[in-house]
Amino acid sequence: KNEVEQSPQNLTAQEGEFITINCSYSVGISALHWLQQHPGGGIVSLFMLSSGKKKHGRLIATINIQEKHSSLHITASHPRDSAVYICAVSSMDSNYQLIWGAGTKLIIKP
Amino acid sequence: DSGVTQTPKHLITATGQRVTLRCSPRSGDLSVYWYQQSLDQGLQFLIQYYNGEERAKGNILERFSAQQFPDLHSELNLSSLELGDSALYFCASSPVAGAGYTFGSGTRLTVV
Repeated sequence: KNEVEQSPQNLTAQEGEFITINCSYSVGISALHWLQQHPGGGIVSLFMLSSGKKKHGRLIATINIQEKHSSLHITASHPRDSAVYICAVSSMDSNYQLIWGAGTKLIIKP
Repeated sequence: DSGVTQTPKHLITATGQRVTLRCSPRSGDLSVYWYQQSLDQGLQFLIQYYNGEERAKGNILERFSAQQFPDLHSELNLSSLELGDSALYFCASSPVAGAGYTFGSGTRLTVV
């Protein structure tokens, strides 16, 4: 079993829909990261969470430390949100190297 | 521009050759991480440096080596290249270990 599990693996939605991507992890963590990778390959860090909830524009990330679960939400989705969204965790025990989930490929259709 | 600079962006080379990938971290960041993203294995941690010293090693092959220089830029050396080494190699930096990461745009290596 992978230490970081994401669901769904693939998600196709219509423009304007509310999107939720889930991430569960099985290790102790210092922080959880949500990252975005566009087809060109570049990776952008969206959020770093250790508790609670963070919001940036139309993106919202939440984490439940007790349940070892995080969600990334996109409100009013747009075709430019199409990308791979990756959940990763880091811990002091592993010198803060990132342990990656497999990613969720999101396609937003106009 | 994320502040992390990776060069070259693309590299095509033959099996058996040696290449060097370069990473300049964001200004002020002391930690540098190298990751490999291949089609069949996703993202894998290779190695981490902090202020010139190796901090952690991941799934890095013996044919690969890295170092971080006094000016904090880092180089990843890949030798005796094999077809399976074809991948996207990312560098990331953070101010200190555990703080937010900034990623470079990656070097796409194709071994033919």
